[in-house]
Amino acid sequence: GENVEQHPSTLSVQEGDSAVIKCTYSDSASNYFPWYKQELGKGPQLIIDIRSNVGEKKDQRIAVTLNKTAKHFSLHITETQPEDSAVYFCAASSGTASKLTFGTGTRLQVTL
Amino acid sequence: DGGITQSPKYLFRKEGQNVTLSCEQNLNHDAMYWYRQDPGQGLRLIYYSQIVNDFQKGDIAEGYSVSREKKESFPLTVTSAQKNPTAFYLCASSIGPGVQPQHFGDGTRLSIL
Repeated sequence: GENVEQHPSTLSVQEGDSAVIKCTYSDSASNYFPWYKQELGKGPQLIIDIRSNVGEKKDQRIAVTLNKTAKHFSLHITETQPEDSAVYFCAASSGTASKLTFGTGTRLQVTL
Repeated sequence: DGGITQSPKYLFRKEGQNVTLSCEQNLNHDAMYWYRQDPGQGLRLIYYSQIVNDFQKGDIAEGYSVSREKKESFPLTVTSAQKNPTAFYLCASSIGPGVQPQHFGDGTRLSIL
């Protein structure tokens, strides 16, 4: 089955700096890669996603890149703000059943 | 507002008891999912249903059961056979089968007394 690894497990940046979170996946058939933000005591919220026919996608301060050959994808957050502090999860999906395999999460702390 | 409602927010279970977690959605989504989240780990899939009256096991289905009698409801029962049930349980839905974005509820935290 699919295996998703996520790094780093914790990340601390100063307000205004950029943050990058990286994930690798094992199943070359995976074709959908969402990113979720989870705040304490809440469910994960979808913040951006990318499909395998696209190499990069951007939404304001958030961007995701995908390298199918190397089987890795990354989340980039620019101009970080304190409200970006949360746990971020990457995931990968293959096949037709929308089954997602999640990474183990990155706790992002944005300091003033 | 459309969304996914999980209840209760906190749930306590005695040893040997079954307990049922509720998940309701008014998004008119066909597919629904249950995940388990443990500290320091990602979400792991318990069961999923792509259509009413049909469901499949996920990666960690042992000790759990589900039903899908209505499109908007996908309750999860944690049975006494689940040896380590203490966790944060998350329900999600997507518009249909295939690779579609999943949207989550705010979870139920289950603890053993």
